[in-house]
Amino acid sequence: DQQVKQNSPSLSVQEGRISILNCDYTNSMFDYFLWYKKYPAEGPTFLISISSIKDKNEDGRFTVFLNKSAKHLSLHIVPSQPGDSAVYFCGSRGADGLTFGKGTHLIIQP
Amino acid sequence: DAGVIQSPRHEVTEMGQEVTLRCKPISGHDYLFWYRQTMMRGLELLIYFNNNVPIDDSGMPEDRFSAKMPNASFSTLKIQPSEPRDSAVYFCASSPDRGLSGANVLTFGAGSRLTVL
Repeated sequence: DQQVKQNSPSLSVQEGRISILNCDYTNSMFDYFLWYKKYPAEGPTFLISISSIKDKNEDGRFTVFLNKSAKHLSLHIVPSQPGDSAVYFCGSRGADGLTFGKGTHLIIQP
Repeated sequence: DAGVIQSPRHEVTEMGQEVTLRCKPISGHDYLFWYRQTMMRGLELLIYFNNNVPIDDSGMPEDRFSAKMPNASFSTLKIQPSEPRDSAVYFCASSPDRGLSGANVLTFGAGSRLTVL
């Protein structure tokens, strides 16, 4: 049973608009959440993170929101750019280390 | 630092053959992780090491899979015998810690794409 779920395998967004990627988790003991970005033929690279004691973290065009009561986090990208087209993995940190979701393939259309 | 180095980048083999994937972690990183990426399961943790010692191998799918870390700068993931369902991208990652303190994160290698025919 997946502890971290990304229910949208893919998402298509027009350039300049907002991209919202969602992630749900089941383990209330997760204390840190991270987003990784992956381009084809490359390894995932760290994008942004948030501690469970916060509800928002912003870094430039990227903002992660955490709703602990709903066990839900989201990544907002504003404005979306062509270089944002990639697979995004949501990761949650617990006693067993990092657990990742299946990923969401974001496609930014011109 | 050159980052996490994995080889080979691509491997095509026939069912039943032995496959060995290699990884060189970032110098000074005490933790090394092996992940597998598939469409069905996403990124799943197979095994991780701390100071060259295997800590948790509960993610290793079956006895055909084995991993070693003979020293701080080298690790291998071996599949013997390989099967078509093992086809996936295998990532090695290293970290200063297990990710349980501060905001230390994993640094991934570029991955090894395995195709078993």
